[in-house]
Amino acid sequence: KNQVEQSPQSLIILEGKNCTLQCNYTVSPFSNLRWYKQDTGRGPVSLTIMTFSENTKSNGRYTATLDADTKQSSLHITASQLSDSASYICVVPGAGFQKLVFGTGTRLLVSP
Amino acid sequence: DAGVIQSPRHEVTEMGQEVTLRCKPISGHDYLFWYRQTMMRGLELLIYFNNNVPIDDSGMPEDRFSAKMPNASFSTLKIQPSEPRDSAVYFCASSLASGGGQGVPSNQPQHFGDGTRLSIL
Repeated sequence: KNQVEQSPQSLIILEGKNCTLQCNYTVSPFSNLRWYKQDTGRGPVSLTIMTFSENTKSNGRYTATLDADTKQSSLHITASQLSDSASYICVVPGAGFQKLVFGTGTRLLVSP
Repeated sequence: DAGVIQSPRHEVTEMGQEVTLRCKPISGHDYLFWYRQTMMRGLELLIYFNNNVPIDDSGMPEDRFSAKMPNASFSTLKIQPSEPRDSAVYFCASSLASGGGQGVPSNQPQHFGDGTRLSIL
C-alpha cells in the first residue's frame, strides 16, 4: 500500500534554531517527492519537488534531501523564524502520477 | 497571478441542504483537483480533471457528491443532501501538465486555493 509517514508529529523550537523533519515513503513506482508548507487557515504551498536523481534541493532557508534507496527524505529549516510556524507535509505522487499521497504532516511551532 | 480562487471561504448549513463549492483555477492550468482535509484523515483526493474532463473520481465518498467543470476557468463540487460527517475543509488545486500526457510523471507543483471550511449542523 502506498504510504507516506512523517515524524515528528509536532515540534516546538526557539526562534533562530534549526530543525529537521523526516519523511518515509513506500510509494512505488517513485517519480518525485514534494514538501508543502501549510499555514493555519490557508492552502498548502509547494516548497520543493525532488526527482529520484536529486539528493539535495534548497529553497531559501529550506533544504530538502532525498535518499531514494532507503525511501527517506528530510526537510531542514535553518535559522527558524516565527513565520515558519506551520504544518509541513511530505507528498509523493501515486497511481497515475497525478494522484498525490499525502503524509499526515509535522506541525512546527517556532517560539520567540 | 491571483492564484486558485475558492468560494465561499466559510459555509455553515443544516443537514440535508444542498452545498455548492466553487473554484477558479489558475489560467492556463490543465489539471484541476478537489481535496478534502480533516484532522482524522488529512488531505484526501476526491476527483481530478484534465482539460475539463473528469479523469478519476474514485475518491468521491458517495453519490451525494458530484463535481463538474463546464469550462477551463470554473469548477463546482456539490453535496446533496449534506450530512454532518461532510464537515471538513475542501481545497481546490490546479497544475500545469508535464508535457508527457497521462501516465507520465509530472514535476509540476499543484497550486492550492485557501479552501472552503464547511460545517454541516
